[in-house]
Amino acid sequence: NAGVTQTPKFQVLKTGQSMTLQCAQDMNHEYMSWYRQDPGMGLRLIHYSVGAGITDQGEVPNGYNVSRSTTEDFPLRLLSAAPSQTSVYFCASSYGDRGNEKLFFGSGTQLSVL
Amino acid sequence: KQEVTQIPAALSVPEGENLVLNCSFTDSAIYNLQWFRQDPGKGLTSLLLIQSSQREQTSGRLNASLDKSSGRSTLYIAASQPGDSATYLCAVTPGSNYQLIWGAGTKLIIKP
Repeated sequence: NAGVTQTPKFQVLKTGQSMTLQCAQDMNHEYMSWYRQDPGMGLRLIHYSVGAGITDQGEVPNGYNVSRSTTEDFPLRLLSAAPSQTSVYFCASSYGDRGNEKLFFGSGTQLSVL
Repeated sequence: KQEVTQIPAALSVPEGENLVLNCSFTDSAIYNLQWFRQDPGKGLTSLLLIQSSQREQTSGRLNASLDKSSGRSTLYIAASQPGDSATYLCAVTPGSNYQLIWGAGTKLIIKP
């Protein structure tokens, strides 16, 4: 019973490098999302998807790209890493997008950009 | 713009005490409110979801209440245990869309 799986758990990048954070869920959830969590702040939504082939921007999308080619996978791409992107990143999924369904989270990726 | 605030940022209490965590929001037009638990190095776990038409929800030793008119929710933990130590976050679903707005959380430490 894997749930939501995120890889890697830790990553250190140099400014300007690119990378992809992986997220996969095995619950056949339509809704998937990416958040970042910074000290002293609430989670902020980066991008979300309501189904395969459909993505949309959240509160803080700049510097990030997403795609949703399958129901299971929702990778987050950092195009050119900046120190301001140092954060903990969480992927989450739920059956629907109406806010009434339980949200399942991955264990997070701690990213440092030097 | 909806804002969610959780005060205090940290709380330490002896084991066995009943305690209350607070969550306030600025716009009463919400769809629902949720409480989550976050353990260090792990993701968040959903604890309770209260619909806007409800006043409270209970799960085991946890009870969450909602007062929309005053923009407040409380999470009551009965007979606290060291295993309850974690960060507790609340989030509201605005009435205008379905994207959660999060508080920064209260870090709870239960001392044995």
